[in-house]
Amino acid sequence: KQEVTQIPAALSVPEGENLVLNCSFTDSAIYNLQWFRQDPGKGLTSLLLIQSSQREQTSGRLNASLDKSSGRSTLYIAASQPGDSATYLCAVRPRSGNTPLVFGKGTRLSVIA
Amino acid sequence: SAVISQKPSRDICQRGTSLTIQCQVDSQVTMMFWYRQQPGQSLTLIATANQGSEATYESGFVIDKFPISRPNLTFSTLTVSNMSPEDSSIYLCSVQRGVNEQFFGPGTRLTVL
Repeated sequence: KQEVTQIPAALSVPEGENLVLNCSFTDSAIYNLQWFRQDPGKGLTSLLLIQSSQREQTSGRLNASLDKSSGRSTLYIAASQPGDSATYLCAVRPRSGNTPLVFGKGTRLSVIA
Repeated sequence: SAVISQKPSRDICQRGTSLTIQCQVDSQVTMMFWYRQQPGQSLTLIATANQGSEATYESGFVIDKFPISRPNLTFSTLTVSNMSPEDSSIYLCSVQRGVNEQFFGPGTRLTVL
């Protein structure tokens, strides 16, 4: 059974720092991996989607990498801003088609001005 | 991407009552999903809503407690029946688009007294 772990559970950094959020999964046979952002009490916003054949994806200040063989993904946030404060969730899709995402518990990020 | 709306955005309900949550998508989708996020936890899939057939429930969730309707390809409802305080959660509607990318609605925050 696929399990997704995110470390750290919470992180507090000063504004302007570059930071890395970690995600690991137990079964490397995934179809894709998706990073989401969730603001308190709100729904999820899709940030980046990495297919199993890809190594990384970039969007603005965000860069996500995928190492399928080792069961790891990282989300890199450059030049962090207070507006980046949110919970970041990693989710893997075990295989193609209509299989449900398996979520980690998230990393709660606070960027201090 | 996908534009997903949910109604209500939040509600406070009495124990023993039922609440129906609506989910509307901006265009037709094959699969719609309902998730629950209990306080401080990650997302758990409740069921997959199939148009024209019964929903498929995950382990630990039953139709009597969480009846789902899917009358067409852009709309679904989830009912939380005979509520107890343990049902207090955020309920999220989700759809799959493109290369298995998943999108979420803004969520319904339910508090049961």
